[in-house]
Amino acid sequence: GESVGLHLPTLSVQEGDNSIINCAYSNSASDYFIWYKQESGKGPQFIIDIRSNMDKRQGQRVTVLLNKTVKHLSLQIAATQPGDSAVYFCAETLQGAQKLVFGQGTRLTINP
Amino acid sequence: NAGVTQTPKFRVLKTGQSMTLLCAQDMNHEYMYWYRQDPGMGLRLIHYSVGEGTTAKGEVPDGYNVSRLKKQNFLLGLESAAPSQTSVYFCATRQGGKTQYFGPGTRLLVL
Repeated sequence: GESVGLHLPTLSVQEGDNSIINCAYSNSASDYFIWYKQESGKGPQFIIDIRSNMDKRQGQRVTVLLNKTVKHLSLQIAATQPGDSAVYFCAETLQGAQKLVFGQGTRLTINP
Repeated sequence: NAGVTQTPKFRVLKTGQSMTLLCAQDMNHEYMYWYRQDPGMGLRLIHYSVGEGTTAKGEVPDGYNVSRLKKQNFLLGLESAAPSQTSVYFCATRQGGKTQYFGPGTRLLVL
């Protein structure tokens, strides 16, 4: 079946550095992608989304890049802070579908 | 505006016992979802609803039942709990867009 996956299960960065979290998807028909942040003991929290007709979208300290040629999605976090420590999930949805397909998640840890 | 709330926050069951998890939302969203999350894994869809009175199976529906009698509530039932159902359960809602909004989760331990 179709799936969303992540290249790296864990990522450790220095405080203040930029973080890049990657995600691969396999379904070229997917038309919408979301990044979620999940802190320990909490539910996933929406960070940013992007539609398939876009290559880049920026938010506050976060940028999502979409490369449809290689079916790759990335989340960039600028000037990483301790509060960014969490598990990050990408999710995709197919055109007309009611459901999201979630990736396994990447744990981001921040070194002081 | 509480958003999405889940009851209870934590529960311990013995094998064979039954229970119902409640998800409530005050955002008037049409769509509601139940997921389970196991350690080190992503979210897997159990059941979902596209509106009051409707339900549909997700990726891992076996052993669970759901009901959506009222638009604001989505109930997840375990008729005969098994240790394999030990997990954290998340409810989510969405309206016209595709973004889903999640509750805080219910941690379930089945002994």
